[in-house]
Amino acid sequence: AQTVTQSQPEMSVQEAETVTLSCTYDTSESDYYLFWYKQPPSRQMILVIRQEAYKQQNATENRFSVNFQKAAKSFSLKISDSQLGDAAMYFCAYRSYTGANSKLTFGKGITLSVRP
Amino acid sequence: DTGVSQNPRHKITKRGQNVTFRCDPISEHNRLYWYRQTLGQGPEFLTYFQNEAQLEKSRLLSDRFSAERPKGSFSTLEIQRTEQGDSAMYLCASSLATSPQGRTEAFFGQGTRLTVV
Repeated sequence: AQTVTQSQPEMSVQEAETVTLSCTYDTSESDYYLFWYKQPPSRQMILVIRQEAYKQQNATENRFSVNFQKAAKSFSLKISDSQLGDAAMYFCAYRSYTGANSKLTFGKGITLSVRP
Repeated sequence: DTGVSQNPRHKITKRGQNVTFRCDPISEHNRLYWYRQTLGQGPEFLTYFQNEAQLEKSRLLSDRFSAERPKGSFSTLEIQRTEQGDSAMYLCASSLATSPQGRTEAFFGQGTRLTVV
């Protein structure tokens, strides 16, 4: 079974600064997807960024980028130019590439606060 | 399209009562998932449907839990004889799967927060 670990329960960043959220995972599969989801207070979870394991290039989406280290099974999220609206819980998630069930396996999440 | 809709948003019930939650997925999505999220934890998979067929159930889904998706549209999750340990946020998500690798991402609803007193 796959596991996802987020060891930092909370982080804080100054507005306009850069912050990195850490995630490690464990799997015996060679092909899979990794995701970062954002869950604002009392709002639904939304996808921030996705990485296919077979791609060596790190994914980027505007101010969000990842550092994917497949051998180390590490998948960190970097948020540049942090904004007040970035304050939320962030979840790292894993999904198998093959198989009928595309369920997500989540980490415990990290609460990010942004200081004005 | 208004996205994934869940009702009710909040439910308070007495221990031992039955509760039912509803999820309306994005209309063209053929896959529907239920997750449970307790305080300070990430969502945990409960079950999923491909159209109207329930294809997998987690061991977290005890016999008191039942889910249906009649006609492959909306889904309901029922909890019988609720216990305090059932208190959690119940999340629904939907996605479109056209082939094993041809999948869209999962879109989540806002969840139903259940409190068992």
